[in-house]
Amino acid sequence: QVQLMESGGGVVQPGRSLRLSCAASGFIFSSNGMHWVRQAPGKGLEWVAVIWYDGSEKYYADSVKGRFTISRDNSRNTVSLQMNSLRAEDTAVYYCARYGWGKVMDVWGQGTTVTVSS
Amino acid sequence: QSALTQPASVSGSPGQSITISCTATSSDVGSYNFVSWFQQHPGKVPKLLISEVTKRPSGVSNRFSGSKSGNTASLTISGLQAEDEADYYCCSYLPSNTWVFGGGTKLTVL
Repeated sequence: QVQLMESGGGVVQPGRSLRLSCAASGFIFSSNGMHWVRQAPGKGLEWVAVIWYDGSEKYYADSVKGRFTISRDNSRNTVSLQMNSLRAEDTAVYYCARYGWGKVMDVWGQGTTVTVSS
Repeated sequence: QSALTQPASVSGSPGQSITISCTATSSDVGSYNFVSWFQQHPGKVPKLLISEVTKRPSGVSNRFSGSKSGNTASLTISGLQAEDEADYYCCSYLPSNTWVFGGGTKLTVL
């Protein structure tokens, strides 16, 4: 079945970097764009970034622009999120999600937790 | 900046119908028909309920329905059940190839 599995979360100090990965299975990965969405503790969902199916286009939320980079490897069925200059407000559960028909996030992973703290 | 406004909370009794609104602050969002709705139980992964304002994915109960009028999208849950108690989020695609979520609505089944 369609599955997404995030990894790479952890505790990191402010100003440092972290790289998240999301492994996809059960569908033709190279045919779908992919999103990252995050959820701070006790807060709502926040869209973070999207990458087109072929990696040709990438878009970011203003809150992460210039600090985060989304990328993908279609040969490995993975999408990544490189997070630099991390701040306390980046603390959240990070989900990867498939860009489905109708510009929707139709399949979600289980999430990986990032904590930015000194 | 585009935003989506949802009520913080709604409640209803089993068997009743409730509606959660999602109002766009700008007309560029309101003119699009790419509004989706998600259900999230505590500690769980968000689940897609509605896409493109009214479309229900396979496997989603027909008790959930979506609609839109002007700049406001709505999610209606009919025949309310205890298991419907959860947080609900609307989400809209924006013209700049970005997305925005509403602040979320906590549904309490009395």
